[in-house]
Amino acid sequence: ETGVTQSPTHLIKTRGQQVTLRCSSQSGHNTVSWYQQALGQGPQFIFQYYREEENGRGNFPPRFSGLQFPNYSSELNVNALELDDSALYLCASSPGQVRSYEQYFGPGTRLTVT
Amino acid sequence: GESVGLHLPTLSVQEGDNSIINCAYSNSASDYFIWYKQESGKGPQFIIDIRSNMDKRQGQRVTVLLNKTVKHLSLQIAATQPGDSAVYFCAENLSSGYSTLTFGKGTMLLVSP
Repeated sequence: ETGVTQSPTHLIKTRGQQVTLRCSSQSGHNTVSWYQQALGQGPQFIFQYYREEENGRGNFPPRFSGLQFPNYSSELNVNALELDDSALYLCASSPGQVRSYEQYFGPGTRLTVT
Repeated sequence: GESVGLHLPTLSVQEGDNSIINCAYSNSASDYFIWYKQESGKGPQFIIDIRSNMDKRQGQRVTVLLNKTVKHLSLQIAATQPGDSAVYFCAENLSSGYSTLTFGKGTMLLVSP
């Protein structure tokens, strides 16, 4: 196991609702990245947080937002949920910017939007 | 479109065989390439990485080869075991102030006893 934990494990929401997903990074890791993985696809980069600031973002709309806290844990918030947001949401932590390519993933949160 | 892709969506092998999973990439500016293993219901697990200035790196039962001339990456698994059955992703990293991992679609490896 990587030491990265995510909650909840599964979640069912209705279109138009808002959702918050949580992630605790591996001890000593100050960089957190979030990914969306649709069924049968590879993970797609959403954004990355380093020392509580967003320092990189993929091709996702502004209704996808995040936070990182002083203990390096992180949240992913999605507003105005759409059916296509149904996916596995993965959090990955890295041991700092120099080695930020070395990402260790949590088990993910399975989000279903109905 | 995706810049990382895989040639074979499914690879079936017998236990004890050597497995080779291939991957093509398109961004010559990528500085690291990483292989991940994802078992059903779990997040991707880091297997091995290789820096763009290397052409080979070995780990425990795994070897990654990088051919920058043809932008090709491969993962070799020696003496494949049933526990190796999973989806394997290659990912390329582009560092530009932060690291962005771009994943391909994955190859399913099925190992028969």
